[in-house]
Amino acid sequence: DAGVIQSPRHEVTEMGQEVTLRCKPISGHNSLFWYRQTMMRGLELLIYFNNNVPIDDSGMPEDRFSAKMPNASFSTLKIQPSEPRDSAVYFCASSLGRTGNEQFFGPGTRLTVL
Amino acid sequence: GENVEQHPSTLSVQEGDSAVIKCTYSDSASNYFPWYKQELGKGPQLIIDIRSNVGEKKDQRIAVTLNKTAKHFSLHITETQPEDSAVYFCAASPSNDYKLSFGAGTTVTVRA
Repeated sequence: DAGVIQSPRHEVTEMGQEVTLRCKPISGHNSLFWYRQTMMRGLELLIYFNNNVPIDDSGMPEDRFSAKMPNASFSTLKIQPSEPRDSAVYFCASSLGRTGNEQFFGPGTRLTVL
Repeated sequence: GENVEQHPSTLSVQEGDSAVIKCTYSDSASNYFPWYKQELGKGPQLIIDIRSNVGEKKDQRIAVTLNKTAKHFSLHITETQPEDSAVYFCAASPSNDYKLSFGAGTTVTVRA
C-alpha cells in the first residue's frame, strides 16, 4: 500500500496567490482529515470528511480556506488568497470507519507564503 | 471540548535508558488514547494505542499505561535507541468521535 499521498511536498508562494494542496487517501478508507501543524499551535484539525461529505469544518480558520472531496480517492485544500500566517505544514490523514480508529498521516506539504 | 496536556516538552536520555512521557486529559468521556511518533520531515505515525477497558498495553520496548480515575496516561520506552529520537504526541478521543485532541508533543533525543 502506498499510504496517504500528498502533493506538492513543498510550496513557496507569494502573499495573495492561490494555493491548492492535494491528497489521495489510502484505498478503502472512508474518513479523511486535513490538519495544520505549526510550532505555536501544534496539530490542528481543519476539516473532516466521511464518505466524501464534509462533517466538521469548524477548524477552518476563515473563508479563505476551502476543502473539497469530489470522490473517495481525492481531496483538495485551497487557500485563496494566501497570507504569510498561513505558512505551516499541512497534513492529510485517512482512516477506516468513522470513529476510534487509527489515522494514517501523509508526509505533509510544507507551505511558505512570502 | 477535550484538552490534552503533555509533559515534558523535551527529553534527553542516554542510549539504553528509559524514557517516560506523561499526558493528562480533561474529558471523562474520552476512552481512546493513541500515541504518535513523528520523525523529521514525515507525518505522525501511530506507535501504540490504548482503550479505556485496559490499564496497560505493551508492544516490545514501548508500553502505555492509563489511569482513568486520575485522567492521565503515559508512554514508556525502554532500552532507548538512537532511532527512538523523534517527536511524540499523545492524543485522546471518545471512541464514538472522530476528533483526536493532540498534546503539544515531546521532543525525545537519545544520546549515543
